[in-house]
Amino acid sequence: GAGVSQSPRYKVAKRGQDVALRCDPISGHVSLFWYQQALGQGPEFLTYFQNEAQLDKSGLPSDRFFAERPEGSVSTLKIQRTQQEDSAVYLCASSSPPLVQQPYEQYFGPGTRLTVT
Amino acid sequence: DAKTTQPNSMESNEEEPVHLPCNHSTISGTDYIHWYRQLPSQGPEYVIHGLTSNVNNRMASLAIAEDRKSSTLILHRATLRDAAVYYCILRDGVGNRDDKIIFGKGTRLHILP
Repeated sequence: GAGVSQSPRYKVAKRGQDVALRCDPISGHVSLFWYQQALGQGPEFLTYFQNEAQLDKSGLPSDRFFAERPEGSVSTLKIQRTQQEDSAVYLCASSSPPLVQQPYEQYFGPGTRLTVT
Repeated sequence: DAKTTQPNSMESNEEEPVHLPCNHSTISGTDYIHWYRQLPSQGPEYVIHGLTSNVNNRMASLAIAEDRKSSTLILHRATLRDAAVYYCILRDGVGNRDDKIIFGKGTRLHILP
């Protein structure tokens, strides 16, 4: 079946512009995560949804970052008034309960590379 | 999630086995050891996980020390397509099993043809 998809794959924004990044999770997956990955670093958690409820947004770096998942499937990460330090790859992941009691495996999309000039 | 320590980079020859080490001396009794890898220009992908016993799947093997303070991911016959960053991660199996993943910097594996 289809995996997690993200669009656009690449985005160039001028400093101060607003951007919107889209994530289509695997169909039926209840949980959705956003991560930010700076060059040469591992991904860092931004926010987490269970269905349409945003249960954890502790990783959002500032109030310029906003995420939503209004119908519990597609999610959008919005960054207002982009700054150069926002340049990174933004990864989306979805997960579903495993068959046995174990940590849930997360399935990642290919990411959106954001460059702020 | 507890902390793990991995070498920054490793090199291996194509078609030879690769052993990627990971130290996790502060692991708790309910932590699972997970490995993900990230191929160039892609998102991370799950490789394997284990709790106490060694594990095998079609991608790799996971050898876990008896005291669980270290583990080794084994690629039995590396190919050029295995060149990636490999992340060793501890994930709680009792608390919130759907929790965020805390990634370190991982090990960048280079495969020499």
